[in-house]
Amino acid sequence: AQKVTQAQTEISVVEKEDVTLDCVYETRDTTYYLFWYKQPPSGELVFLIRRNSFDEQNEISGRYSWNFQKSTSSFNFTITASQVVDSAVYFCALGYWGKLQFGAGTQVVVTP
Amino acid sequence: GAGVSQSPSNKVTEKGKDVELRCDPISGHTALYWYRQSLGQGLEFLIYFQGNSAPDKSGLPSDRFSAERTGGSVSTLTIQRTQQEDSAVYLCASSLDTVGEAFFGQGTRLTVV
Repeated sequence: AQKVTQAQTEISVVEKEDVTLDCVYETRDTTYYLFWYKQPPSGELVFLIRRNSFDEQNEISGRYSWNFQKSTSSFNFTITASQVVDSAVYFCALGYWGKLQFGAGTQVVVTP
Repeated sequence: GAGVSQSPSNKVTEKGKDVELRCDPISGHTALYWYRQSLGQGLEFLIYFQGNSAPDKSGLPSDRFSAERTGGSVSTLTIQRTQQEDSAVYLCASSLDTVGEAFFGQGTRLTVV
């Protein structure tokens, strides 16, 4: 069975601080994909990033970066220099063949 | 269309009635998914369509739930004899292929009274 754990329920920061969201996953599959999605107050889930299980290279995309460590089954996500518009619920997801297992989500609150 | 379109955006129904929720995926996307988001259960996978293959129905919570996809495009999720626990936001998503990023619609908020 697949499982995604986001231990942080809510994170509150002041604008310009960095925010790191933790994600730990469990799967018996050797090939899988990991995702981060953002759900702003409007409700629509917005795709942020995707990594496959064979690519542990960590990257930076604008203010977003991620740290994928297969050895610890973790896929953490960082927002650098947070902005008020980053306030949303962030979901980590694990999947293959279209069936995504989502974590419970982490509410990020960025105050001016 | 430019994005995934779902209708209606809100639906209030009486317990025991049947409801149909519609999803228009992004043109050209072969994969289509239905998810449900509720306070108690978070985001749950319901069903997945890929091209002409048989759908993966493993997430449907009961036989009151069914879905079809006509012509490889529009999909309808049907809930028969609705119950109060069916109240949730039903999200549809589509992707270009089976492992590509899924683009989600705005969802249909279903309230069973």
